[in-house]
Amino acid sequence: GAVVSQHPSWVICKSGTSVKIECRSLDFQATTMFWYRQFPKQSLMLMATSNEGSKATYEQGVEKDKFLINHASLTLSTLTVTSAHPEDSSFYICSARPLTGTATDTQYFGPGTRLTVL
Amino acid sequence: GENVEQHPSTLSVQEGDSAVIKCTYSDSASNYFPWYKQELGKRPQLIIDIRSNVGEKKDQRIAVTLNKTAKHFSLHITETQPEDSAVYFCAATPGTYKYIFGTGTRLKVLA
Repeated sequence: GAVVSQHPSWVICKSGTSVKIECRSLDFQATTMFWYRQFPKQSLMLMATSNEGSKATYEQGVEKDKFLINHASLTLSTLTVTSAHPEDSSFYICSARPLTGTATDTQYFGPGTRLTVL
Repeated sequence: GENVEQHPSTLSVQEGDSAVIKCTYSDSASNYFPWYKQELGKRPQLIIDIRSNVGEKKDQRIAVTLNKTAKHFSLHITETQPEDSAVYFCAATPGTYKYIFGTGTRLKVLA
């Protein structure tokens, strides 16, 4: 149980284009989903917290107009990197927190999306 | 804001020996402390967690201890095996369910 999927697993795009990444909780409903960014050999940096039906809360220093987050349902959140540039190249990982049960503190992570902007 | 320090950054142990990774957090409101294992290019996997009302928790070869007064918690792996080699991250939760991760520890278990 508690499986989170992400799509695509990797994407290469040209500078200036937009890329959408999907995060789905497959076997549970997620009240909250989180988006992280991870650089090589570094820790996970929280970008934003998203709750179903409301606006995402962005961490300090994260541009909300560049990283658009939509949490349309209790099982789906999307991150759109707008007008991507090479410096946006990174590993993006989502996580989901269960709505019910004994593990509502726990975040379950997706497999990540490797974005390369040429 | 919450800050989580993690040490050491790298750790090499012989197979069968124990490994200990320590984390210190700053926000006393943090009440949940998970540990994740991440293999190269893969998702972080929860291996053990502890809540602030408990001082120690064990699951087979893995244990976590928490000292609320000192605001630090540690991961203990006994009888290490080569498949334990990975990067381990601790995290603290400053009251809003979001995680603040430590900087990670790269563990190498030498056969």
